[in-house]
Amino acid sequence: QSVLTQPPSVSAAPGQKVTISCSGSSSNIGNNYVSWYQQLPGTAPKVLSYENNKRPSGIPDRFSGSKSGTSATLDITGLQTGDEADYYCGTWDNTLSAWVFGGGTKLTVL
Amino acid sequence: EVQLLESGGDLVQPGLSLRLSCAASGFTFRNYGMNWVRQAPGKGLEWVSVISSGGGTTLYADSVKGRFTISRDNSKNALYLQMSSLRPEDSAVYYCARHEGVCSGGGCFFSYWGQGTLVTVSS
Repeated sequence: QSVLTQPPSVSAAPGQKVTISCSGSSSNIGNNYVSWYQQLPGTAPKVLSYENNKRPSGIPDRFSGSKSGTSATLDITGLQTGDEADYYCGTWDNTLSAWVFGGGTKLTVL
Repeated sequence: EVQLLESGGDLVQPGLSLRLSCAASGFTFRNYGMNWVRQAPGKGLEWVSVISSGGGTTLYADSVKGRFTISRDNSKNALYLQMSSLRPEDSAVYYCARHEGVCSGGGCFFSYWGQGTLVTVSS
């Protein structure tokens, strides 16, 4: 049972938009920055968004992170088949004094 | 180019020990906090441990506390994870990851990841 809650899976057609949610509490998302990671099959994770809504260089603006209260979301627009991957949210938890990840969301581009 | 290369993964029997290493290059290693994150087969990511840039502060997930020890050698640009009393549930790919920011001060994030090393704990 992960501290952060994500939907196990989402799907959408190429070109469409998908939103992945991440729900936490005041001890984690509510008082800390959230980051998002993409893990393509058989590869290491890669950061897509950090400090709630910033994108590292090289990450397309199709990927957009946001945060409101104790929840965060990752929006992916203009879906491509190459976006099929597992997506994880993560943040620091002040009560646990530990980094916590969501359980991950598998994106299928139909 | 930032590179993180893990090594040391192996098949080991329950109760025994193993040390993982992570060789860093392409950045000033002593300036960054470092982490170990693991992923059991077919499962999600689980943070294991963090060490501050100077090595003076370490934190662990409850699942490994008292059994695993993170350390670093800034003169060798190397990160280590000493794992003891290994259990089958410790079987996973172990990634080392560099973080940016101060984790306990509002947040940090993992900017670079290695490709991982596989640890299998089984008799």
